[in-house]
Amino acid sequence: EIELTQSPGTLSLSPGERATLSCRASQSVSSSHLAWYQQKPGQAPRLLIYGASSRATGIPDRFSGIGSGTDFTLTISRLEPEDCAVYYCQQYGTLPYTFGQGTKLEIK
Amino acid sequence: QVQLVQSGAEVKKPGASVKVSCKTSGYTFSGYYIHWVRQAPGQGLEWMGWINPNSGGTNFAQKFQGRFTVTRDTSTTTVYMELTRLRSDDTAVYYCARDIGWGWFDPWGQGTLVIVSS
Repeated sequence: EIELTQSPGTLSLSPGERATLSCRASQSVSSSHLAWYQQKPGQAPRLLIYGASSRATGIPDRFSGIGSGTDFTLTISRLEPEDCAVYYCQQYGTLPYTFGQGTKLEIK
Repeated sequence: QVQLVQSGAEVKKPGASVKVSCKTSGYTFSGYYIHWVRQAPGQGLEWMGWINPNSGGTNFAQKFQGRFTVTRDTSTTTVYMELTRLRSDDTAVYYCARDIGWGWFDPWGQGTLVIVSS
């Protein structure tokens, strides 16, 4: 099973700043089969990024993903108050699919 | 639009079973796998398994094999998840989600809270 470790656990930034979230895999994620989700309190997760760097439909270009192998990054530029959420990475290259433990993003 | 609407919250006693439904609409039911993911209170996401609505074939995470069943009704475009021999650590929100590619999920159902308590 591939373990995904996300860092930092919590990130506290101001509106307009840039957030950089990391997801590290315990072994290589095949074909960059990695996705990112945003989850706000009381809501279901929402797909942001798939294939490590492709934005899902309707996701603003402030959200971008990059990475391959074992190291992946989600960047949110120009933070807005509504970006306050927990962000999860997920690998779907190898069964069982696994998720990271999440990074909580707080907007000051 | 594509929608996945799940059944309501359940409270069960340890050892009982629970069946959660996921009613899909707005797309070709047979064309996309449906996955189940759960989230214990205050915790992260845990993948449980998937069903191919076309064939009915399934694949589950090893820890759920033997207790976890997923079925579908093509006439109502509904997927069902059943978890048996419930334990207190099965208390969680259970989500269904559509696989739109090679394993990424969009959209998700609204979630169904299952509470296991004596």
